[in-house]
Amino acid sequence: GAVVSQHPSRVICKSGTSVKIECRSLDFQATTMFWYRQFPKQSLMLMATSNEGSKATYEQGVEKDKFLINHASLTLSTLTVTSAHPEDSSFYICSAPGIAGGYNEQFFGPGTRLTVL
Amino acid sequence: AQKITQTQPGMFVQEKEAVTLDCTYDTSDPSYGLFWYKQPSSGEMIFLIYQGSYDQQNATEGRYSLNFQKARKSANLVISASQLGDSAMYFCAMREGHQAGTALIFGKGTTLSVSS
Repeated sequence: GAVVSQHPSRVICKSGTSVKIECRSLDFQATTMFWYRQFPKQSLMLMATSNEGSKATYEQGVEKDKFLINHASLTLSTLTVTSAHPEDSSFYICSAPGIAGGYNEQFFGPGTRLTVL
Repeated sequence: AQKITQTQPGMFVQEKEAVTLDCTYDTSDPSYGLFWYKQPSSGEMIFLIYQGSYDQQNATEGRYSLNFQKARKSANLVISASQLGDSAMYFCAMREGHQAGTALIFGKGTTLSVSS
């Protein structure tokens, strides 16, 4: 099946610093990727849709200046959390759509756990 | 209104027993897909099963089956012969439309605990 990787898997940073998270589709091309955020024991909330070669589409309530998304190639999307604060601590997961078993599926990365001190 | 509703925050079952995790959905799009994912404590999202809105038969994948009742807009996951390794959080999700470039909408999840 299709594989999506994320790097880093875990990051701890100081308040005020910026953190970049990479999402890669390893064996398929993804013109679209999705970024989700998940707080402990809660659901996945869509933050934004990343589109290769164009601007990302952000969900209502997500600060685009704080969560910068760049879809630089057909296999790479990055999420940069700028000036991170403790409330940004969360589990960030990316996904990319693809075809599997004859239907459209979402392939998820393993997630990145961000802790802001 | 919530698009995906999972009413069971937690479920408890003994090994080898079957368990049903509830999911109801709301959409006016005639074309949609329903997914179930398992999320263990590691955080990875493990795909379990898929049901398309036009599929005539209920989906099955090994010990997992989806009880799809379209008129009631429900898509319950049935796990037969539970195993200790099934303990995890389970999410029901929906994609509206048939295009790949549409994000999934997730329910709040159900935490399943399997005991010996």
